[in-house]
Amino acid sequence: DAGVIQSPRHEVTEMGQEVTLRCKPISGHNSLFWYRQTMMRGLELLIYFNNNVPIDDSGMPEDRFSAKMPNASFSTLKIQPSEPRDSAVYFCASSYQLAGGRETQYFGPGTRLLVL
Amino acid sequence: GESVGLHLPTLSVQEGDNSIINCAYSNSASDYFIWYKQESGKGPQFIIDIRSNMDKRQGQRVTVLLNKTVKHLSLQIAATQPGDSAVYFCAENSQTGTASKLTFGTGTRLQVTL
Repeated sequence: DAGVIQSPRHEVTEMGQEVTLRCKPISGHNSLFWYRQTMMRGLELLIYFNNNVPIDDSGMPEDRFSAKMPNASFSTLKIQPSEPRDSAVYFCASSYQLAGGRETQYFGPGTRLLVL
Repeated sequence: GESVGLHLPTLSVQEGDNSIINCAYSNSASDYFIWYKQESGKGPQFIIDIRSNMDKRQGQRVTVLLNKTVKHLSLQIAATQPGDSAVYFCAENSQTGTASKLTFGTGTRLQVTL
């Protein structure tokens, strides 16, 4: 299995530009998670989907952030407009969850974002 | 200006010795716990998990202990190797309807000295 795939691996952009991060979860997994990791705040859950439906987006910082999951094999996290404080490593993770289940999440390699 | 980041506790261990990494969790209703290892420049990698109906689980060179009374979790690594150097996170699972999510601790940096 290829594991969780994220692209791009690195992104450098200027303040005000739109940034789109992409994730392909592990085939067969039905839950997808977006995290942000910074030195200041550690690993934070931004949003997660179950069966392509957003379940909890309470971690999304503000309206500049949006996430979609149009199908079971693809998700995007968009920042528009980007700001320097958005600089972080963004991870996507996926898992297969049964009802009431407690299944392990598998992480992608992350996208390192730098907003100048 | 000077940035202030999370102060990761650091555990320094000599190669060959055993390592014990501790974690306190907050939600007494959490029923599933996972330890992750994160190497520099990589995503967190699953190491071992434990359900709340157990107090110990062993894997290859790793053991997780769960004390629900004091909400404490530990990861023991036997015969620590240089490749074990990484940041280790504990995570607790919580349910929202039929879906679940993990809450991560701040992490502990393990440094293995030769």
